Amino acid sequence: RKEVEQDPGPFNVPEGATVAFNCTYSNSASQSFFWYRQDCRKEPKLLMSVYSSGNEDGRFTAQLNRASQYISLLIRDSKLSDSATYLCVVNDSGTYKYIFGTGTRLKVLA
Amino acid sequence: GAVVSQHPSRVICKSGTSVKIECRSLDFQATTMFWYRQFPKQSLMLMATSNEGSKATYEQGVEKDKFLINHASLTLSTLTVTSAHPEDSSFYICSAPRAAQSTDTQYFGPGTRLTVL
Repeated sequence: RKEVEQDPGPFNVPEGATVAFNCTYSNSASQSFFWYRQDCRKEPKLLMSVYSSGNEDGRFTAQLNRASQYISLLIRDSKLSDSATYLCVVNDSGTYKYIFGTGTRLKVLA
Repeated sequence: GAVVSQHPSRVICKSGTSVKIECRSLDFQATTMFWYRQFPKQSLMLMATSNEGSKATYEQGVEKDKFLINHASLTLSTLTVTSAHPEDSSFYICSAPRAAQSTDTQYFGPGTRLTVL
């Protein structure tokens, strides 16, 4: 089983749609969680950290369920510029090490 | 603005040559930096952890004699791909955490695209 699993997609959605991505992780001792966005042939950029209480940043909402070892990202009112690969990232417990999921590709269509 | 830089951004070399990639933290000190590799349509895979003043620690399956890491100062880590072969062609990315807390976010360099002919 992979340490961090994501549905690779692609998710093709129309502009204005709401789309949700899921991610599961295997290490129950993992301490911190993030969603990164990666555009084609570029480095990953932090989208948001994920907290147990859930957090929202504009059109983006992230949720963490530690009991189920599950992380989600919800994007509302999708824009063309949201087209990218979304990487679920888990911080290995006790270290700085990031474990990346394979990423979920999103394409927002006009 | 960018907080981690990499150089070069792109390199094409012949098989058998060595290539050095630099990773710099621009406005903070990084005692630890990370090197990742990303093949097309795959995710980032951690290769090694670069430690200032001590040896790098390598992930399982990564050859330390092939991928030489030197963390010469608190703002610079270098990765040298020795005797590069076409299968080493990949996107190499470094990252650095900004603060001495394991939950802090990491900042990624812009990556180096290596093509070995």
